[in-house]
Amino acid sequence: GAVVSQHPSRVICKSGTSVKIECRSLDFQATTMFWYRQFPKQSLMLMATSNEGSKATYEQGVEKDKFLINHASLTLSTLTVTSAHPEDSSFYICSARGFRQLLAKNIQYFGAGTRLSVL
Amino acid sequence: GENVEQHPSTLSVQEGDSAVIKCTYSDSASNYFPWYKQELGKRPQLIIDIRSNVGEKKDQRIAVTLNKTAKHFSLHITETQPEDSAVYFCAAGGSGGSNYKLTFGKGTLLTVNP
Repeated sequence: GAVVSQHPSRVICKSGTSVKIECRSLDFQATTMFWYRQFPKQSLMLMATSNEGSKATYEQGVEKDKFLINHASLTLSTLTVTSAHPEDSSFYICSARGFRQLLAKNIQYFGAGTRLSVL
Repeated sequence: GENVEQHPSTLSVQEGDSAVIKCTYSDSASNYFPWYKQELGKRPQLIIDIRSNVGEKKDQRIAVTLNKTAKHFSLHITETQPEDSAVYFCAAGGSGGSNYKLTFGKGTLLTVNP
């Protein structure tokens, strides 16, 4: 299957700082990347969808100025949590879909997630 | 938008028994229904998916059925093994538009007891 790499896997930061999370598709071109937030023992909540070269589409209730998304290339999307606060502590996980020979559309391949803890 | 309901939230079975997880969706335009398995602390992994032109799909011990009229789909795991223990998520999405967005159910914690 396709490989999606997400870094860092864990980050601890002070309140008020910004944190950048990277999501890379290693062996395919990701035309679309998705960013999710997952609380303990809960489902994957879609935050935003990003298409390469265009602005991200945010889900209702997600602050675009708080969660900055950049999808600058076909293999990299970044999520920056700006001025992080304790309530932003969560598990953030990205996924990517794209094209490669035999890579079926619709399928989302997930990164390993980033555990953010804001003190 | 799409709304996906998943039941049960927890499921405990004995090794060798079958497990069934059910999901319903609201948007009749959805035509892609994947199932993901997420082990503790790990990424969700696609285990099987079905598209709306197919009513049933099977892959070894795993099968998925889809009833588009009733807007529900189910995951069936036969001959369960302890390594099947995980959280399973259903999802619904479409191939229309450019984003292929998926809406996930709340997950089912499956425990297979040896």
